[in-house]
Amino acid sequence: GDSVTQTEGQVALSEEDFLTIHCNYSASGYPALFWYVQYPGEGPQFLFRASRDKEKGSSRGFEATYDKGTTSFHLRKASVQESDSAVYYCALGDINMGYKLTFGTGTSLLVDP
Amino acid sequence: GGIITQTPKFLIGQEGQKLTLKCQQNFNHDTMYWYRQDSGKGLRLIYYSITENDLQKGDLSEGYDASREKKSSFSLTVTSAQKNEMAVFLCASSILGGFNYAEQFFGPGTRLTVL
Repeated sequence: GDSVTQTEGQVALSEEDFLTIHCNYSASGYPALFWYVQYPGEGPQFLFRASRDKEKGSSRGFEATYDKGTTSFHLRKASVQESDSAVYYCALGDINMGYKLTFGTGTSLLVDP
Repeated sequence: GGIITQTPKFLIGQEGQKLTLKCQQNFNHDTMYWYRQDSGKGLRLIYYSITENDLQKGDLSEGYDASREKKSSFSLTVTSAQKNEMAVFLCASSILGGFNYAEQFFGPGTRLTVL
């Protein structure tokens, strides 16, 4: 079945550091890829989506580019702030799997001021 | 805008007890979802409902029942609570996105504790 792998369980950075959270996927079809963010005590929030190869999604200074060749959708931000501390989830939606999303295990980002 | 309300916020039950979690949305969305969130395991889909009269099992449906009472509400029942299923249960909704996969909007969650 489809799967999403986030290799970093936790990332600790200082303000203004560059962020990369890795996301790799495995899917039988041509999936849409998503990033969601979850702040403490809240449900996840949609960050952005990409639906085709080489498409870049972006929001709030975060961005990721759909790479079908390396089956990746890595999340990047040039300069993180303390307010970016949250859990980030990569997810995929595959038309062959119906209307559901498959989520990764999440990456907890902690930014020190 | 809209909001998803989940009740209760905290649910404490005894092992073997039947427990019900409720979700209401005022987005007028067609599709609703129940996820279980365990630390370090991400979100796993329990049940979803594409439209008002539909019910579909997710990857983690064993031990759960679901009911879509009307377009705006979706309930989840833990049929016999077990200590190993203490987790946060998240409800979500989306428009019927089709191929483009609409974003899902999540509620704040119900935290289940089993004694």
